[in-house]
Amino acid sequence: NAGVTQTPKFQVLKTGQSMTLQCAQDMNHNSMYWYRQDPGMGLRLIYYSASEGTTDKGEVPNGYNVSRLNKREFSLRLESAAPSQTSVYFCATLTYSNTEAFFGQGTRLTVV
Amino acid sequence: AQSVAQPEDQVNVAEGNPLTVKCTYSVSGNPYLFWYVQYPNRGLQFLLKYITGDNLVKGSYGFEAEFNKSQTSFHLKKPSALVSDSALYFCAVRVVNTDKLIFGTGTRLQVFP
Repeated sequence: NAGVTQTPKFQVLKTGQSMTLQCAQDMNHNSMYWYRQDPGMGLRLIYYSASEGTTDKGEVPNGYNVSRLNKREFSLRLESAAPSQTSVYFCATLTYSNTEAFFGQGTRLTVV
Repeated sequence: AQSVAQPEDQVNVAEGNPLTVKCTYSVSGNPYLFWYVQYPNRGLQFLLKYITGDNLVKGSYGFEAEFNKSQTSFHLKKPSALVSDSALYFCAVRVVNTDKLIFGTGTRLQVFP
């Protein structure tokens, strides 16, 4: 039982490059989330998805897009990376009934 | 606006002493409240939650939290701190009838021997 799996774990991008962060869960949870963690800023919600095919903006959605094509996977895309997007990104899932979030191990992204 | 505040960037406490990590929230309706802990280079781990019922909830590793509706607070407590409790602690709130889950800025707990 892998829980929440994020790939890649580390990535270095040049300004302007694009990439997709992948998140997959095997817990059959409905809700999935993408956060970024920056020193002194805590975890800030980028996007979330309550169910397959639905997505909603969080606190800091600018510069990101997401896709929830099925229940297991929720991807985060940076179309044109900027240094301000250097951060640690976490994917999480939440079941409505259990009301407990499960987190992936994070992706450390550096944009140079 | 919906928000969670953790007013202390860092809390220092001696081992064996009680600890409190503060959290206040601002959301409409009755919130679901959570505490999570993060150890270095790790994801967040669930500690405890308040959904409804008894205002004092008990969680993992001897932690507990008290929900105070009038003060809109959900402070994390432990009667006797351990050095191994040193970590980054996050308070979170989920607004009922939505799936939005927002976190505070985190409080670093440092327990000294």
